[in-house]
Amino acid sequence: GESVGLHLPTLSVQEGDNSIINCAYSNSASDYFIWYKQESGKGPQFIIDIRSNMDKRQGQRVTVLLNKTVKHLSLQIAATQPGDSAVYFCAENGGGMGGATNKLIFGTGTLLAVQP
Amino acid sequence: GAGVSQTPSNKVTEKGKYVELRCDPISGHTALYWYRQSLGQGPEFLIYFQGTGAADDSGLPNDRFFAVRPEGSVSTLKIQRTERGDSAVYLCASSLRRGGPDTQYFGPGTRLTVL
Repeated sequence: GESVGLHLPTLSVQEGDNSIINCAYSNSASDYFIWYKQESGKGPQFIIDIRSNMDKRQGQRVTVLLNKTVKHLSLQIAATQPGDSAVYFCAENGGGMGGATNKLIFGTGTLLAVQP
Repeated sequence: GAGVSQTPSNKVTEKGKYVELRCDPISGHTALYWYRQSLGQGPEFLIYFQGTGAADDSGLPNDRFFAVRPEGSVSTLKIQRTERGDSAVYLCASSLRRGGPDTQYFGPGTRLTVL
């Protein structure tokens, strides 16, 4: 059925291009950030994480950049493939500064659509 | 190895009924989390268990929601007197939690529909 109320920001890219997904986080005390990929009907899948004492971390085809000054996080995907099509969420550790809870606060999400 | 599993995958119930949703975390993970995800939104935190105890239940929306983890492994989320607004995907996650923040691994979720 139709996804009523689904108003996600959408990034449309061509297969083989690089993708950059941006996220603004809210809590300056957060010390841990994660990017998740979520395909339709599935749970969020871990992609990459970064701690606040770093500003860049690289994985396989993915890079996360953290700018604490402006509370901004980005996910770069190199050579985007059709299998990368999904909703991408950034999340911050709501506990912050090694607090007692490890709850995650998720952003709105961005729909990445890869055109073959 | 096996990931986080959740049962049932889908649950349809009538307004006012009671439901239980089950989560089996990754073996050896001491921390377990419940989140709720509405259509088009990111997951929202409900409750966090460290071992058998609820370390943070600040996300539970009201007293109709309750969760247990009696033996420090499997957890059950219980919703009493369900309302149509409870319809959502309920996600469970687990992590090693050996000190400091760590990666949470999610299950596939239970889609709850309240008619």
